[in-house]
Amino acid sequence: AQTVTQSQPEMSVQEAETVTLSCTYDTSESNYYLFWYKQPPSRQMILVIRQEAYKQQNATENRFSVNFQKAAKSFSLKISDSQLGDTAMYFCAFLPFSGTYKYIFGTGTRLKVLA
Amino acid sequence: GAGVSQSPRYKVAKRGQDVALRCDPISGHVSLFWYQQALGQGPEFLTYFQNEAQLDKSGLPSDRFFAERPEGSVSTLKIQRTQQEDSAVYLCASSLARTGAPYGYTFGSGTRLTVV
Repeated sequence: AQTVTQSQPEMSVQEAETVTLSCTYDTSESNYYLFWYKQPPSRQMILVIRQEAYKQQNATENRFSVNFQKAAKSFSLKISDSQLGDTAMYFCAFLPFSGTYKYIFGTGTRLKVLA
Repeated sequence: GAGVSQSPRYKVAKRGQDVALRCDPISGHVSLFWYQQALGQGPEFLTYFQNEAQLDKSGLPSDRFFAERPEGSVSTLKIQRTQQEDSAVYLCASSLARTGAPYGYTFGSGTRLTVV
């Protein structure tokens, strides 16, 4: 069975600084997708960034980038130039490639950006 | 609509009461999913619809939980004889594709159910 582990329940960062959120996962699948979702107090899960496991290049979306280490089964999220609006819960999620639809989510990291 | 709409936003139910939670997905989205998010946890899969067909209900925790999508658009998650352990946020998501790959789902803002 696949599992996703986020070992940092809470983190804080000063505005304009950089922070890295960690995620590890366990799977026997060779092809899969990994996602980071943001959940602000509004509760809506918002896609931040995604990575296909067959791509070696790390995904980047503006201030958000990932460090994907397939052999180590690690998928960390780096947020550069942190903004107050980045304050939220962040969830790492795994989705098998083979036509399935069930996300496996981690337990989340609560990030607080300090002014 | 422009996004996935869920109602009510909050629901307080007395233990034993039946509740119905509504999800209005993005127009034209084929797939619809329900997830349950307990306090301090990540969302967990409940059920999956492709159009009006419920293809997977393996995540429903008991036979008190029932979901339907009769016309392939709006979906209702019904919980009968609510128990305190049913207290959670219920998230609905939809997708244009038949699965969540590769672009992920669009989630609604959820219904927070509190059973007292």
